[in-house]
Amino acid sequence: AQSVTQLGSHVSVSEGALVLLRCNYSSSVPPYLFWYVQYPNQGLQLLLKYTSAATLVKGINGFEAEFKKSETSFHLTKPSAHMSDAAEFFCYVSDRYNQGGKLIFGQGTELSVKP
Amino acid sequence: EPEVTQTPSHQVTQMGQEVILRCVPISNHLYFYWYRQILGQKVEFLVSFYNNEISEKSEIFDDQFSVERPDGSNFTLKIRSTKLEDSAMYFCASSPGGVLSYTFGSGTRLTVV
Repeated sequence: AQSVTQLGSHVSVSEGALVLLRCNYSSSVPPYLFWYVQYPNQGLQLLLKYTSAATLVKGINGFEAEFKKSETSFHLTKPSAHMSDAAEFFCYVSDRYNQGGKLIFGQGTELSVKP
Repeated sequence: EPEVTQTPSHQVTQMGQEVILRCVPISNHLYFYWYRQILGQKVEFLVSFYNNEISEKSEIFDDQFSVERPDGSNFTLKIRSTKLEDSAMYFCASSPGGVLSYTFGSGTRLTVV
């Protein structure tokens, strides 16, 4: 069974500051890990995904995430926040053998960016 | 780039009424899904559909809900006798198989009054 925990339902940063959104996972089998973003009044958009090719994964809009097996983490970072980054971010996990099954989401982290 | 299309984007309905949420998955995808996000809560899996039948459903997906692929292109979620607690954003998704190519629609916001 898999699960994710996103630490912090709301994160607020100043424009230009580092963004760090935390996600820890639990999986009994090698996982795939994803970060999705939901901008206001829009649908879910894939930011990046980990599939074991590389532990540091780069995504769209300057975001990246690092898979750390020893810490069972997949935290999302961006060196410098922009106002346009304000959105809700979801981490999710799936096992590699999930041919047609469900995705398990974290509870989401809302990112606010202050001028 | 192919998209999953959902209509309507927002629907308001009276409690007790039936609603049908519509989705057009990506044409060569084989697996179809509905997820729900109640305001302030996590995105929750409702149901997956493959080969014209339900392949998995959550405990949320009770007799009030049904899914259908009526014409080979649309994928619908029907909610009979809506309740206030059905108010949520409903996301459709499709996949050719596996999770690496999941594509979500932009969602339908259902408001039950």
